Amino acid sequence: QKEVEQDPGPLSVPEGAIVSLNCTYSNSAFQYFMWYRQYSRKGPELLMYTYSSGNKEDGRFTAQVDKSSKYISLFIRDSQPSDSATYLCAMSYTNAGKSTFGDGTTLTVKP
Amino acid sequence: DAGVIQSPRHEVTEMGQEVTLRCKPISGHNSLFWYRQTMMRGLELLIYFNNNVPIDDSGMPEDRFSAKMPNASFSTLKIQPSEPRDSAVYFCASSLGLAGGQVITGELFFGEGSRLTVL
Repeated sequence: QKEVEQDPGPLSVPEGAIVSLNCTYSNSAFQYFMWYRQYSRKGPELLMYTYSSGNKEDGRFTAQVDKSSKYISLFIRDSQPSDSATYLCAMSYTNAGKSTFGDGTTLTVKP
Repeated sequence: DAGVIQSPRHEVTEMGQEVTLRCKPISGHNSLFWYRQTMMRGLELLIYFNNNVPIDDSGMPEDRFSAKMPNASFSTLKIQPSEPRDSAVYFCASSLGLAGGQVITGELFFGEGSRLTVL
């Protein structure tokens, strides 16, 4: 079993919809939780970065971490066609070490 | 500022040939990571360096893979001999990591990747 499991998708939604992307993990030692966005044929880029449990909001994006359930989510409000990409969750034990990634969920937002 | 630079962007080679992938991290970053991405296995960490020293190479699949970081501005990932199952996109990433004993940020900055096809 993988340390990080991500809802596989793919996900297709109409423009303006609210999108929920989710990951679960098995290792309670993870302290730092990230979401990366990867456009086709590009490298991943950091979208959200959170430490421990709680919510973090940045514009249309909200990251949620529930350490008791070992569950993290990324919500996208008012989704746009430009949000079409693969979203990868990632976790690490420390703030400077290696990150373990989920397999990614491919999102398509249709105009 | 230039981001992480990888070369070559595309490589097609035949089984048994040696492959060398190159990476120039962002200036000032202390940590460098090599990841491999495939449809079947997702994004897997192969090896990472901190201050040019290999810290964790447990993800290197086998002895055919080797990585070096001779200085702070250059790293290579070598596969010798290459096999068809090595076909993947190889990403290099760097981060600020630790500086003066204090963690700055764990954010990874990825290059655009090297797409390897072994026939």
